[in-house]
Amino acid sequence: DQQVKQNSPSLSVQEGRISILNCDYTNSMFDYFLWYKKYPAEGPTFLISISSIKDKNEDGRFTVFLNKSAKHLSLHIVPSQPGDSAVYFCAAIHFGNEKLTFGTGTRLTIIP
Amino acid sequence: DAGITQSPRHKVTETGTPVTLRCHQTENHRYMYWYRQDPGHGLRLIHYSYGVKDTDKGEVSDGYSVSRSKTEDFLLTLESATSSQTSVYFCAISETDTEAFFGQGTRLTVV
Repeated sequence: DQQVKQNSPSLSVQEGRISILNCDYTNSMFDYFLWYKKYPAEGPTFLISISSIKDKNEDGRFTVFLNKSAKHLSLHIVPSQPGDSAVYFCAAIHFGNEKLTFGTGTRLTIIP
Repeated sequence: DAGITQSPRHKVTETGTPVTLRCHQTENHRYMYWYRQDPGHGLRLIHYSYGVKDTDKGEVSDGYSVSRSKTEDFLLTLESATSSQTSVYFCAISETDTEAFFGQGTRLTVV
């Protein structure tokens, strides 16, 4: 049972435009959501997170939005840069069991 | 960078042989995780640990066992490797509600 889903396996965006990556979840017990970025042959690295009690968190070019009623979160990158080309994983955690659950990832390609 | 090291980084092994992957951390983080990454599946949790000798199963634990006898080391063992266990394995560490830090990964090929 996939509790965290990223329904778009890939996304291409023109450099300078906005990239929007989406994530849906089914477990209403999740307390915290995270986005990770992964380059080939490297481990994922943390990008940005949001608590379930917030609806927005911003860090530079990256903003994460959480819609709890829709069980949906999104990552906005603006402006998109070539170095943003990577696979992005959405993850969620329930503090009761501390298991970090990942989505399947979205490959973002920034077109120069 | 978080002090987390996976070994080996690459391994080719034959079907039916035992394999042990090691994750070593220098951050004294309480939680340690083993994930596998496969195309179309993303990162899937195999086992995790919330303290020395305290481990639990993840979503794809069949065929795997783990041990954590020291805070800094988390071992993943494939008792009898199968071709379906060919994958890239990632170890991660975290401390309660902060983000997890990942190792560089181990590419395992079972032939």
